[in-house]
Amino acid sequence: GNSVTQMEGPVTLSEEAFLTINCTYTATGYPSLFWYVQYPGEGLQLLLKATKADDKGSNKGFEATYRKETTSFHLEKGSVQVSDSAVYFCAAETSGSRLTFGEGTQLTVNP
Amino acid sequence: DTEVTQTPKHLVMGMTNKKSLKCEQHMGHRAMYWYKQKAKKPPELMFVYSYEKLSINESVPSRFSPECPNSSLLNLHLHALQPEDSALYLCASSQVNTEAFFGQGTRLTVV
Repeated sequence: GNSVTQMEGPVTLSEEAFLTINCTYTATGYPSLFWYVQYPGEGLQLLLKATKADDKGSNKGFEATYRKETTSFHLEKGSVQVSDSAVYFCAAETSGSRLTFGEGTQLTVNP
Repeated sequence: DTEVTQTPKHLVMGMTNKKSLKCEQHMGHRAMYWYKQKAKKPPELMFVYSYEKLSINESVPSRFSPECPNSSLLNLHLHALQPEDSALYLCASSQVNTEAFFGQGTRLTVV
């Protein structure tokens, strides 16, 4: 079956630090890949996506590149802000419109 | 309009009650979803409707009954729930095989 593995959290950073959250997937074929963000008490918001190998998704300073050779979709941001504190979920879409999520990574950014 | 609207935001119900969760979108999406999310866990897929027909039921107990009255509305009817069913229930919608947009969720507590 399909699965998504995220780096274990939580992650605590100081403001303006560099962020990397690792994500790898196993799937048959080439799924579309997503990063979602969930702020406390809210639903999930789509942060960025990539639908094929070598695509780079980007939004709000976050980036992730679809790497077929390493089956990875790592999330990066050059300079995090306190407002980026949230839970980040990596997800892969497979047949039948199913989303398979990673376990989520709690990010806390301190001023 | 890029919103998925869920009502109510919070719901407390007894184990003998019958209640319904509602979800609405006006983005013209033809796929709609129910997910269940427990604290500190990723969302788990419950049901998928595609073109107003139930296409996926992830072996959800019959005390949860989905309904899709039209292409914009999705309901989840609840009856005889257990305390362990307490969770955040998320609705999402998408065009078929594209990224899903999530609502803010209904925080359900079963007492």
